[in-house]
Amino acid sequence: ETGVTQTPRHLVMGMTNKKSLKCEQHLGHNAMYWYKQSAKKPLELMFVYSLEERVENNSVPSRFSPECPNSSHLFLHLHTLQPEDSALYLCASSQDLREVHYEQYFGPGTRLTVT
Amino acid sequence: KQEVTQIPAALSVPEGENLVLNCSFTDSAIYNLQWFRQDPGKGLTSLLLIQSSQREQTSGRLNASLDKSSGRSTLYIAASQPGDSATYLCAVRRGGFKTIFGAGTRLFVKA
Repeated sequence: ETGVTQTPRHLVMGMTNKKSLKCEQHLGHNAMYWYKQSAKKPLELMFVYSLEERVENNSVPSRFSPECPNSSHLFLHLHTLQPEDSALYLCASSQDLREVHYEQYFGPGTRLTVT
Repeated sequence: KQEVTQIPAALSVPEGENLVLNCSFTDSAIYNLQWFRQDPGKGLTSLLLIQSSQREQTSGRLNASLDKSSGRSTLYIAASQPGDSATYLCAVRRGGFKTIFGAGTRLFVKA
């Protein structure tokens, strides 16, 4: 596997379910990100991790819970979601958070539908 | 508050045409600007990253320029091809770790 991978690619869940999205980067990067892309809206940054430490939480509801067990893996745990949470969830990584190393590389995304 | 605007929202051109996509941002205190390509239902592919100290970057048929003082960046695509059809996004990094994205320009290149 190369680059940034995400699983599952598609997920349908009810509002009472609990599920997790997984992201893995094979680039040796130290920073990882979760973004949300809703229909007809710009990408929204949700969380930023640097060396497994969360450095940014962009006012995301607590029903979204990120986890970064090591610099290669990032999870987004989901529970009691709302239909408006249906979106494409994108994971990204960068070498680190310094300016010159900030180029972000994205995974293919998980298309989430909440019913 | 930083806002990023991309014009036009959609563009249709015949194959072979040179074209320019525009990105403007309201706060000139940026660290860098990155252009991406997104195919329908897919993730983003990085095209070019321009640091705040740079004026332009080139990769193949793509050239991106940055004018911080006027809050503008352009992505120039030479000799467009049907395979260039996609949504093009610009993203600005400002203070902290926030990256602000524009809504994108949907490009369709007709064969």
